[in-house]
Amino acid sequence: DAGVIQSPRHEVTEMGQEVTLRCKPISGHNSLFWYRQTMMRGLELLIYFNNNVPIDDSGMPEDRFSAKMPNASFSTLKIQPSEPRDSAVYFCASSLVNEQFFGPGTRLTVL
Amino acid sequence: SQQGEEDPQALSIQEGENATMNCSYKTSINNLQWYRQNSGRGLVHLILIRSNEREKHSGRLRVTLDTSKKSSSLLITASRAADTASYFCATPLTGSGNTGKLIFGQGTTLQVKP
Repeated sequence: DAGVIQSPRHEVTEMGQEVTLRCKPISGHNSLFWYRQTMMRGLELLIYFNNNVPIDDSGMPEDRFSAKMPNASFSTLKIQPSEPRDSAVYFCASSLVNEQFFGPGTRLTVL
Repeated sequence: SQQGEEDPQALSIQEGENATMNCSYKTSINNLQWYRQNSGRGLVHLILIRSNEREKHSGRLRVTLDTSKKSSSLLITASRAADTASYFCATPLTGSGNTGKLIFGQGTTLQVKP
């Protein structure tokens, strides 16, 4: 298995632009998580899905952030419009029971 | 509030020495997990200890759990330079509707000097 796949690995954009991050979970996993990691705030859970249904989005910072999971093998996290304070590493993780498997992350820089 | 808190925040040791990291949590749990994060990478699961276990081993890793004190420790024996990483403890969010959500601590940054 290729593990959790995220794209792009790096994204540099200008303030005000739309950013879309993509994630392919491990086949057969039924939960998917989006995290954001910064030096200042550490690892934060943004939103998670179970069986493609959003369960808890209380970590989504504001309405500029949205996430979808149209099917069991794909999820997106969108930021529109992006702001410099959104600069961070965004991780996607998937799980079946207890252990979470993390993707390599997308390093987002908003200028 | 944060469920897991690691201590110390940073640790620097020489290769060959043992490294001990501690984690405290606040509510009852059914398991506790430890993860490692190498610089620039995603977190990797190391070990899971269940609430009815007191100690668990995996290679050079030894994890203990004291549910009465709501604390856990991760011991890495005979450390190597490759063990340099950040280590996080994580506990599941208990209660109805939980579907695998983990609460991560702030992590301990370990540096092993060759």
